Amino acid sequence: AQTVTQSQPEMSVQEAETVTLSCTYDTSESDYYLFWYKQPPSRQMILVIRQEAYKQQNATENRFSVNFQKAAKSFSLKISDSQLGDAAMYFCAYGYSGNTPLVFGKGTRLSVIA
Amino acid sequence: EADIYQTPRYLVIGTGKKITLECSQTMGHDKMYWYQQDPGMELHLIHYSYGVNSTEKGDLSSESTVSRIRTEHFPLTLESARPSHTSQYLCASRIGTDNSPLHFGNGTRLTVT
Repeated sequence: AQTVTQSQPEMSVQEAETVTLSCTYDTSESDYYLFWYKQPPSRQMILVIRQEAYKQQNATENRFSVNFQKAAKSFSLKISDSQLGDAAMYFCAYGYSGNTPLVFGKGTRLSVIA
Repeated sequence: EADIYQTPRYLVIGTGKKITLECSQTMGHDKMYWYQQDPGMELHLIHYSYGVNSTEKGDLSSESTVSRIRTEHFPLTLESARPSHTSQYLCASRIGTDNSPLHFGNGTRLTVT
């Protein structure tokens, strides 16, 4: 069975600095998809970034980028120029088929210090 | 932005009551899901649906039931609420393609006294 591990329950970063959130996964599939979601306090969970396993190029979305290491089964999220609004729970998720639910990690709580 | 709506946003009820948490989406998504989010914020899949008249149980044993009579509507029912049901419930949907992300509702925070 596929599993997703986020080894950092909590992280903190100074405003304007860079932080990296870790995610590893276990799968026997060769073609799959990875996601990072953000859940601000008392607010809706939203998609931050998505990576297709067949793509070698790391996905980027403005200040958010990933370091996808397929052989190591690692999918870390880098947040550059951290802002107070980045404070949230971040969840890493894995999927390989539209017919199976995504598998989520336990989440990392990110605090941003002004 | 995704259009997926959950009502009520907050609910406090007494033990033994029957409740239904509503979830609707206007995107025509086939796949819909219910998650229970524990105080540590971990997500637990409790039910999902591939489409109309399709429902499946998730990983977390749950005393709830769901129905999917219409594509846009996926209500969750607790026949007899207990304090152990106190939690945040998140509804989500996605289209059927492999790489499609989930779109989440705002959640229902349920407290059973």
